[in-house]
Amino acid sequence: DSGVTQTPKHLITATGQRVTLRCSPRSGDLSVYWYQQSLDQGLQFLIQYYNGEERAKGNILERFSAQQFPDLHSELNLSSLELGDSALYFCASSSDNYGYTFGSGTRLTVV
Amino acid sequence: EDQVTQSPEALRLQEGESSSLNCSYTVSGLRGLFWYRQDPGKGPEFLFTLYSAGEEKEKERLKATLTKKESFLHITAPKPEDSATYLCAVRVDSNYQLIWGAGTKLIIKP
Repeated sequence: DSGVTQTPKHLITATGQRVTLRCSPRSGDLSVYWYQQSLDQGLQFLIQYYNGEERAKGNILERFSAQQFPDLHSELNLSSLELGDSALYFCASSSDNYGYTFGSGTRLTVV
Repeated sequence: EDQVTQSPEALRLQEGESSSLNCSYTVSGLRGLFWYRQDPGKGPEFLFTLYSAGEEKEKERLKATLTKKESFLHITAPKPEDSATYLCAVRVDSNYQLIWGAGTKLIIKP
């Protein structure tokens, strides 16, 4: 157990739908990062939050949004889902912007 | 532009055959280089952090080294359970998030 908790582990949904992925960071970590990893692809940075505020944005689609709550957990919202959004979505947390601790991921399948 | 390149893309070794994975970087203001291991369908697992040229770290059969332009992950007498994708990432002065390499897929055959 890395200390970063992601739920759900698996999600199957239809095109056009909206889903929410949840991440609880490791205790004491203020930063949360979201990554997308498609099959046999590298990690694509989506967005970072630090203590409730958006700090950095990567290649995040306009259909995707995220937020970090006062208790530091974060949610990634994916809407108007397309087949190409099927991927593993990872959350990572850090306390000092150096090393990251990753969660076990949410596998999203859009059918 | 800050860039991280890993080579080879894939490496197949026999059990016990030692080798090295390379991570080369062109960045301004390196603040740390990280190695991770990722098993299929799982989140990356932290292995090492290196901060300055000449630094070395070891863990079981793995040893990471750092120069001013690249890092090597040496694997000594690997076992099939060392099969995974090994990811390299760097932290630079001008960026809040890590810059990732594409990874090296390591396969150790028994």
